[in-house]
Amino acid sequence: GAGVSQTPSNKVTEKGKYVELRCDPISGHTALYWYRQSLGQGPEFLIYFQGTGAADDSGLPNDRFFAVRPEGSVSTLKIQRTERGDSAVYLCASSLNTNGYNEQFFGPGTRLTVL
Amino acid sequence: AQTVTQSQPEMSVQEAETVTLSCTYDTSENNYYLFWYKQPPSRQMILVIRQEAYKQQNATENRFSVNFQKAAKSFSLKISDSQLGDTAMYFCAFMSNDMRFGAGTRLTVKP
Repeated sequence: GAGVSQTPSNKVTEKGKYVELRCDPISGHTALYWYRQSLGQGPEFLIYFQGTGAADDSGLPNDRFFAVRPEGSVSTLKIQRTERGDSAVYLCASSLNTNGYNEQFFGPGTRLTVL
Repeated sequence: AQTVTQSQPEMSVQEAETVTLSCTYDTSENNYYLFWYKQPPSRQMILVIRQEAYKQQNATENRFSVNFQKAAKSFSLKISDSQLGDTAMYFCAFMSNDMRFGAGTRLTVKP
């Protein structure tokens, strides 16, 4: 079956612009996670959803970052007034639910470059 | 806050030999999960093995096994009979509510 997909695979933008990154989870997975991976680092937790609601958004670095999941499936990570420090790979993962026993399946990521 | 430490930025091993990757973590939680993920150049994170903290028995998955020492908060990964396809970044991760990753170990398997 289809895995987690993320679009676009690469995004180049200019400082100050607004970007949206999309994640399509595996069908039937109620939990969805966003991570940011900077060069040479491990993924850093940003936010996770259980259904439509953000269960924990404590990893979002500031109020320029926002994520939604209006119908409990597709999620969009939105970054306003992008800065060069936002350049990273943004990873999305989904799992059956938020029980840690359930494997998180990762997408291939979106590489964001802010010039 | 939970932290995960991987003290080996890079390691190499000869094909068919055994290598052990180290991981330590810090938490005040009693119930949690630990994972090793593999990330090849394609960027796709792939689950290698997982361990429930309440289980004393070390998890094994074919050539991959862990040495879980709960009191010491240590969770090392042993790869036996290393193969060229094992070359990748390996991340140790801790999960209670959200997932925390270490900085990774770059493993190179040499022919």
